[in-house]
Amino acid sequence: DSGVTQTPKHLITATGQRVTLRCSPRSGDLSVYWYQQSLDQGLQFLIQYYNGEERAKGNILERFSAQQFPDLHSELNLSSLELGDSALYFCASSVGTLETEAFFGQGTRLTVV
Amino acid sequence: GQNIDQPTEMTATEGAIVQINCTYQTSGFNGLFWYQQHAGEAPTFLSYNVLDGLEEKGRFSSFLSRSKGYIYLLLKELQMKDSASYLCAVRDNYGQNFVFGPGTRLSVLP
Repeated sequence: DSGVTQTPKHLITATGQRVTLRCSPRSGDLSVYWYQQSLDQGLQFLIQYYNGEERAKGNILERFSAQQFPDLHSELNLSSLELGDSALYFCASSVGTLETEAFFGQGTRLTVV
Repeated sequence: GQNIDQPTEMTATEGAIVQINCTYQTSGFNGLFWYQQHAGEAPTFLSYNVLDGLEEKGRFSSFLSRSKGYIYLLLKELQMKDSASYLCAVRDNYGQNFVFGPGTRLSVLP
């Protein structure tokens, strides 16, 4: 158990809908990272927050947004869902700003039908 | 653009040594990472290189040559539990993007 908690573990929704994925980082960790892993695209970095502020941004679609709250948990919002958004979404957390210290949650598997 | 290349699959024998190569072409370079991912599980961090040379962590070593855009991961004394996908990833010059390679699926045979 990495100490990073992601909810829900599985999510099935229809095209056009909006969902929110939640991540609780390890106690004391200030950075949260979001990744998407699909069969055709592999693992992709989406976005990083550090202590509530956006720190780095990858190839995150405009339909996707994220935020980190004062209690340091983070949410990833996915809207106008398409079939191609079906993927495993991982969250990771670290004390500082570098991924070397990051531990991953077990992921949320999103299926868009 | 960003391009990271690594072999799709490799096979090795228990107890042997295997080298997984990764080449990258990115807009700047600010560190290279290796992750291990077992099937159905989350990735776990293995190693980080930002300067040229060798980084050793137990049975795992990683080597970087920035001038050649080349890195490898060396796994010694292979064990069955090392069967997994190994992903290299590069953080770009401004630390803004983090690009993963497609991963190398390693199978360790008895």
